[in-house]
Amino acid sequence: GESVGLHLPTLSVQEGDNSIINCAYSNSASDYFIWYKQESGKGPQFIIDIRSNMDKRQGQRVTVLLNKTVKHLSLQIAATQPGDSAVYFCAENINQAGTALIFGKGTTLSVSS
Amino acid sequence: AAGVIQSPRHLIKEKRETATLKCYPIPRHDTVYWYQQGPGQDPQFLISFYEKMQSDKGSIPDRFSAQQFSDYHSELNMSSLELGDSALYFCASSSSTGNYGYTFGSGTRLTVV
Repeated sequence: GESVGLHLPTLSVQEGDNSIINCAYSNSASDYFIWYKQESGKGPQFIIDIRSNMDKRQGQRVTVLLNKTVKHLSLQIAATQPGDSAVYFCAENINQAGTALIFGKGTTLSVSS
Repeated sequence: AAGVIQSPRHLIKEKRETATLKCYPIPRHDTVYWYQQGPGQDPQFLISFYEKMQSDKGSIPDRFSAQQFSDYHSELNMSSLELGDSALYFCASSSSTGNYGYTFGSGTRLTVV
C-alpha cells in the first residue's frame, strides 16, 4: 500500500504487505530528515533518519528514500505488522544546533490481520 | 537508557489560569524544543533553547514563555489559558555535538476547561 503527498490520508494494508508512506518537504535548504512513528497519546518515536548527502538508508524492516530534486521523502516498511499501526510523520531540519525540526502532515497506517 | 522526562503527564486548568510544564532532557543534551499538538494535528514547533539561550522561535503565543535553566531542564509557562490551548505538549532534546537526533518525551496533556 502507498500514500501520496502532504495530506493526511489513511493507509490501510494487510499484515505481511509492504507499506510505502510518502512525504513532500517544503524547505530546499533542509538537509536532515527524520521519520517518526506516533501512537495515540504518546510522543513521536524515532524510526530512521537520512542526511541530504544520501538518497537511501536502510534500517530494520524500514527504508527511507530521499529525492532532493523533487523534495520528496518516502518510508518503506517491509512485512508490515499490526504493531506498525500508528501515525507516521516526516520531519525536516537544516541541521544547525538549536534549530527546529518541522513536521509534515501525518499519515495514519492501519494494519489488519 | 534515560529518556526525556516531562511533568506533569496530565494537567487540567480553568480558563485564564496559568500552567507550568517541565522538561528534563537526556543527560548531556544541550538543546530542548517545545511542540504543541492538537487533536489529529501534526506537532507545531513553539520554541527551542540551546545552551540556555533561545535558539529558534515558532508559533508560540505571547501568553507563553519558556526558559532553559543551568541544569538544562526547561519550563514552559502558559498564562491566561484559553480553551484552544488544550493539546499535547511535547518536549524534545538533542545534542549539538552528536548526530542532531531529536528524542521526544511522552508529553503533557493539558486540558483547559
